[in-house]
Amino acid sequence: AQKITQTQPGMFVQEKEAVTLDCTYDTSDPSYGLFWYKQPSSGEMIFLIYQGSYDQQNATEGRYSLNFQKARKSANLVISASQLGDSAMYFCAMRERSFKAAGNKLTFGGGTRVLVKP
Amino acid sequence: EAQVTQNPRYLITVTGKKLTVTCSQNMNHEYMSWYRQDPGLGLRQIYYSMNVEVTDKGDVPEGYKVSRKEKRNFPLILESPSPNQTSLYFCASSLDGAGYNEQFFGPGTRLTVL
Repeated sequence: AQKITQTQPGMFVQEKEAVTLDCTYDTSDPSYGLFWYKQPSSGEMIFLIYQGSYDQQNATEGRYSLNFQKARKSANLVISASQLGDSAMYFCAMRERSFKAAGNKLTFGGGTRVLVKP
Repeated sequence: EAQVTQNPRYLITVTGKKLTVTCSQNMNHEYMSWYRQDPGLGLRQIYYSMNVEVTDKGDVPEGYKVSRKEKRNFPLILESPSPNQTSLYFCASSLDGAGYNEQFFGPGTRLTVL
């Protein structure tokens, strides 16, 4: 089974509207971390937001928020007030504690491409 | 400026011609890692290093070698590249390999093997 699933290969969003990017994960570890990265067309990976499995509140960073539903094993990214510069590929990733011996490995989903329309 | 650098950024080569992609970080990070990115698969870890002289295989290590002789450098070596190694490669580093520290990524190296 895939550890990280992003079911939306691509989506359009109107400028200034909010968009939700889906991410579901699969782990039996009680302790894990969830990350979202943005990859613009230039190719670099930009860290957006982090959510720990024991965090009581959903993470927020500016216009980014993470809708963390632990029982459903989902960690959806919400981008509010979309801007043209938000057009990019977005990746959800997870680090599990059981991989402690294997280092700080991130397991990535396949990504969602977002195109913001003016 | 804190950063991870990779060279070259773009490389076209032929099957069997040994190549090295360099990676360097200036943040005194202990942990470094290499990933490859392929369409629909996201990023997959190739090799990682917890510290100097400590390296280990990730999920897709076949056809690659690494070394970690200095803390700041973590080169990726393809001894005999093949077309299925055509990909976008990222080097990443983080403070250490034990916690949930943010990983900083290099700009990527786009490799084409003909």
